[in-house]
Amino acid sequence: NAGVTQTPKFRILKIGQSMTLQCAQDMNHNYMYWYRQDPGMGLKLIYYSVGAGITDKGEVPNGYNVSRSTTEDFPLRLELAAPSQTSVYFCASSGPGLRNNEQFFGPGTRLTVL
Amino acid sequence: GEDVEQSLFLSVREGDSSVINCTYTDSSSTYLYWYKQEPGAGLQLLTYIFSNMDMKQDQRLTVLLNKKDKHLSLRIADTQTGDSAIYFCAESIRDNAGNMLTFGGGTRLMVKP
Repeated sequence: NAGVTQTPKFRILKIGQSMTLQCAQDMNHNYMYWYRQDPGMGLKLIYYSVGAGITDKGEVPNGYNVSRSTTEDFPLRLELAAPSQTSVYFCASSGPGLRNNEQFFGPGTRLTVL
Repeated sequence: GEDVEQSLFLSVREGDSSVINCTYTDSSSTYLYWYKQEPGAGLQLLTYIFSNMDMKQDQRLTVLLNKKDKHLSLRIADTQTGDSAIYFCAESIRDNAGNMLTFGGGTRLMVKP
């Protein structure tokens, strides 16, 4: 199993540009999550999904959109990039059968908006 | 509301024990976790404890949970330079939306040779 994969690893955007951060998991997990991690801070939940076709806002959803058309993929869209969106973005997944409710994390995408 | 707090930084010498502390506010937590983040990498689950336990030991790691004070600690025995990383405490509250985690800000552990 590859686990949770994310692309790209790094990206620099200009203000106002758009991009999609890709996330995929091959563990057949129902739950998927997007977090952002600002320097010296913990992770803040942006959006999450409890299954294909179902998404919901987390703590900091403004400026982002998500979709979940398949169990495997959970892309995060930035429509009009702003400097405040400079961060490291982590995707994670979790399965309902896991006894300890563990979330598995991808390696992250480092995004800089200039 | 939910809030998880940790100290920012800890420095120890190789071979010493490290103790990383965390406080949380939500008494309905089901699981509490310690995640490790090495430079440039994602978070990896290090260990966890169920909320009805007060201690869990796993090789060099000991987790202590004081539910009354809502205090969680991670002790690493015989700390090695490879233990240098950021350690995140997280609490889980199981609800209809799945497994929601609230993370602390992370404690950067530096191990000096």
